[in-house]
Amino acid sequence: DIQMTQSPSSLSASVGDRVTITCQASQDISNYLNWYQQKPGKAPKLLIYDASNLETGVPSRFSGSGSGTDFTFTISSLQPEDIATYYCQQYDNPFRVTFGGGTKVEIK
Amino acid sequence: EVQLVESGGGLVQPGRSLRLSCAASGFTFDDYAMHWVRQAPGKGLEWVSGISWNSGSIGYADSVKGRFTISRDNAKNSLYLQMNSLRAEDTALYYCAKARSSSYFDYWGQGTLVTVSS
Repeated sequence: DIQMTQSPSSLSASVGDRVTITCQASQDISNYLNWYQQKPGKAPKLLIYDASNLETGVPSRFSGSGSGTDFTFTISSLQPEDIATYYCQQYDNPFRVTFGGGTKVEIK
Repeated sequence: EVQLVESGGGLVQPGRSLRLSCAASGFTFDDYAMHWVRQAPGKGLEWVSGISWNSGSIGYADSVKGRFTISRDNAKNSLYLQMNSLRAEDTALYYCAKARSSSYFDYWGQGTLVTVSS
């Protein structure tokens, strides 16, 4: 199974800060990576697909990059409504999916 | 409007069975793969199982393989998860998710809670 190592597990940043989360795959997954946002008590929401494509309706301050084994998710200017836990998800095999451990983002 | 409504959760004793359902509406159900994802209390997301539009491709997480069975009824716009030999570690909120291009989970239900305890 492909393992996804996400870091950090939590972070605290100020409004307006640039926030970066990384996800490392245990083997090459090309660009088969998605990013999700989960707010407390809510279902996850797809933000980025295929490593760098912004889902329709998602603000442009969110972005993703990377390929192979190393991926990055960035919030260019943190907003109060971005407080959530973020997860990466690989789909090298669409029916053997794995998620990263999550990154909890808080406001400093 | 896409809607996914899970049901069938509850309190069950270890070793017993439970069947979850997910009723889908607002999209052409038999055009899309579907998945189950769970989240234990206070923990992260764990993919459980997925099924292609025509049930031709099916996958399971190692943690549930041999105990859980995913199925779908396209005539009823419904997804199912038969869970047998339940364990305490299966306690979680179970979400069903629609998968665009089989891989992007673009719509999720609100989840149904399964608690395995004696």
